[in-house]
Amino acid sequence: NAGVTQTPKFQVLKTGQSMTLQCAQDMNHEYMSWYRQDPGMGLRLIHYSVGAGITDQGEVPNGYNVSRSTTEDFPLRLLSAAPSQTSVYFCATRTGASNQPQHFGDGTRLSIL
Amino acid sequence: GNSVTQMEGPVTLSEEAFLTINCTYTATGYPSLFWYVQYPGEGLQLLLKATKADDKGSNKGFEATYRKETTSFHLEKGSVQVSDSAVYFCALRPTQGGSEKLVFGKGTKLTVNP
Repeated sequence: NAGVTQTPKFQVLKTGQSMTLQCAQDMNHEYMSWYRQDPGMGLRLIHYSVGAGITDQGEVPNGYNVSRSTTEDFPLRLLSAAPSQTSVYFCATRTGASNQPQHFGDGTRLSIL
Repeated sequence: GNSVTQMEGPVTLSEEAFLTINCTYTATGYPSLFWYVQYPGEGLQLLLKATKADDKGSNKGFEATYRKETTSFHLEKGSVQVSDSAVYFCALRPTQGGSEKLVFGKGTKLTVNP
């Protein structure tokens, strides 16, 4: 039972490069979200999706794009990486019921040089 | 706006000591409240939750009670173990304005020494 799978686990980029962080889930959850975790800041919501074909912005969306073509996958794209995007990124999923918790992946540690 | 404030760490305890990590929140209505735990190198795992006033969430010896009158959701454990060493996050999900805008506290790092 894989749950929420994030790839890669680690990545180093140069400023201006682009890349896609992958998130896949096998729980048939409607909701998927991307967070970044920075020291002393807790977790901040980047983008989220309430179902295939539907995405919306979170608290810190600038510099990131998302799409949701299937229920299972929710990739996060950095079009032109900046040092300020150095962070640990977490994908999370949950069912549609509002009082249900989110299930988190193990994270992607991203460094931008 | 919605916010979560939890006690700053780090917190260092000896094994079998009593643990309290304070969490207070600001939100309209009746948000759902959560405690998550993050072990080194891992993602966040749900520890416990409460969805209405006076609910008590409990799991693995940890407890937290949803106190509407004091807008608090303090985490407690009567006897901590070395394996409880981790970072603990208090979080809320508002009842209005977008159910995915889960708001997290900044986290409290707990170290338990043998």
